[in-house]
Amino acid sequence: GQQVMQIPQYQHVQEGEDFTTYCNSSTTLSNIQWYKQRPGGHPVFLIQLVKSGEVKKQKRLTFQFGEAKKNSSLHITATQTTDVGTYFCAAINTGGFKTIFGAGTRLFVKA
Amino acid sequence: DAGITQSPRYKITETGRQVTLMCHQTWSHSYMFWYRQDLGHGLRLIYYSAAADITDKGEVPDGYVVSRSKTENFPLTLESATRSQTSVYFCASGTGLAQPQHFGDGTRLSIL
Repeated sequence: GQQVMQIPQYQHVQEGEDFTTYCNSSTTLSNIQWYKQRPGGHPVFLIQLVKSGEVKKQKRLTFQFGEAKKNSSLHITATQTTDVGTYFCAAINTGGFKTIFGAGTRLFVKA
Repeated sequence: DAGITQSPRYKITETGRQVTLMCHQTWSHSYMFWYRQDLGHGLRLIYYSAAADITDKGEVPDGYVVSRSKTENFPLTLESATRSQTSVYFCASGTGLAQPQHFGDGTRLSIL
């Protein structure tokens, strides 16, 4: 069955450093979504990527969808303490019949 | 998000008891979902519903029952709670299976 791996599981950074989390699927995807969950909070939708090779930016966040539509990444430039939380990818399989969430990458930012 | 509410926020119960978690959304979204979140496992889908009276199993449905008599409500029942069901439960809604989901604040359930 479809598997979604997200790495790393944890990342500690100094404020101002960059951060990247990767999401890899065993199967080709229809689209991929990214969510952020603050400590003690609920997942909040950030962005959806649909096209092969797509790149989208939201301020300091850059999202990429691989050419083969099997992997994706989220890159944060110059992290801030407000970036702390867990970042999840949600992989939607071809046909849009199933969404599987990655286990998440928890980001810690030291001021 | 104000459009989807879960209750209760916290619940402590004992093994063998029945417990129902409530979820209500005001967006008129067709789809509703129930997830459980445990350390190291991310979000795992328990059940989802495409419309009123239409429900389907997710990845971990055993021990859970859902119903959807009205579009806006999607209660989740643990018929005989077990300690392994201690978790944080999130309800979500969306316009389609492949569309972004809006999550409630969650219910933290402890089973002693």
